[in-house]
Order: sequence, then structure tokens, then C-alpha cells
Amino acid sequence: DAKTTQPNSMESNEEEPVHLPCNHSTISGTDYIHWYRQLPSQGPEYVIHGLTSNVNNRMASLAIAEDRKSSTLILHRATLRDAAVYYCILRRPNRDDKIIFGKGTRLHILP
Amino acid sequence: GAVVSQHPSWVICKSGTSVKIECRSLDFQATTMFWYRQFPKQSLMLMATSNEGSKATYEQGVEKDKFLINHASLTLSTLTVTSAHPEDSSFYICSARAGSPYEQYFGPGTRLTVT
Repeated sequence: DAKTTQPNSMESNEEEPVHLPCNHSTISGTDYIHWYRQLPSQGPEYVIHGLTSNVNNRMASLAIAEDRKSSTLILHRATLRDAAVYYCILRRPNRDDKIIFGKGTRLHILP
Repeated sequence: GAVVSQHPSWVICKSGTSVKIECRSLDFQATTMFWYRQFPKQSLMLMATSNEGSKATYEQGVEKDKFLINHASLTLSTLTVTSAHPEDSSFYICSARAGSPYEQYFGPGTRLTVT
């Protein structure tokens, strides 16, 4: 399985943008880049996903490098509620696909 | 959006007893359900995958006789931790897949404490 590498932790000030990086140098052509986050004492929740083009939704933006070997999750204006562990995961759209979580990035938001 | 519930949200049991955790998809039919375990400060670890009406497929290193999974309907899966021991204390999270692989949603988790 293609692996992702993320920083263990990051810090950001409230109300400022946050850029969470993810490296996936062994990504294959059929791998989609997914981001999930887990708030404290809760189950994970879907954030965003993409294949090649940058993506935006109400929660975040996903910027994907041209060679697809890295991507960045962008929270445009972090709030205290965004403090969570963020997971970057590669997934293939087939029936046998399973979500395997790495260590993720623990994001701390400073008030 | 799609909702997955778990019951109970937390449970304390004595060592040697069994405990059952329920996972329900509230507003969709789940063809596949997944069970994860998470120890403090660690990531989620996939335990098993179950399809409705079939036996669960367990990940390597997970004891199938200890963690019994039943997926009897398209909206309910249960995980029974048999003869629980303190080392089974963990946060158990289920996930339900609706149809396509990307329609997958997570429950809120069940915290199990074995004394």
C-alpha cells in the first residue's frame, strides 16, 4: 500500500490559515488523496478528497502537487474547534478498499 | 448527512466478563462495516471487516474468537469482546459503508474500561 508521511504535530493561531502537508511519493495513478480528522474522544470524520485537481469544500481546501507526490490541506481560518488529529490517506475506489490510518498530524490551535 | 451510532458510548466491565457493542447505520443501509480499536495517543487500528450475512474478515493479529463480530442486518453490526481483560480497555470505533467506497461514515466510538 502506498504510504503517506505527515508531521507529528503542528501549531497555529486561531483565526489564521493552516497548511497541513502530506507526502505520498509512492502514490499510484489510481490513488485518491483523502483527508479525515478526529476531534478529541470522537470518531473520525471525512474532510475532503481529490485526485489531481485542487478541491474546495465548506470545511477546507486541498492543494495537490502537479506530480501528485505531495498535497496540502488548507484550513482557511482555524478555530479552536479545528483542534484535532488530521489524517492523510490514499484510497482506491474499489470494493476491497479499507481505510488504514497512519499517525496523522495533531493540530493545536492557540487562542 | 449519513449517521452512524454506537451503543453504549462507554462501558465499564469486570475482567473475565463479555461486553457487546452495537453499531447502527441510522439512515442508510450498510453493505460493509468496519471495526477499529484505538489506544490512548495512538492511531486507529483496523480490526475487522464484515459484510452483511457473511463472516467477518479479521486483520492479522486480531483474535477472532475473542472479538466476535456479527453483521446480521444491513443496519446493525455488533462487536462482542469475550472474556475481557484490562489490556482490552480501548476506544472502539465502527464505520459503515453505504454503497460506493467513498460513502463511508464513522461512529462516535465506545470507550471500554475493563477493571
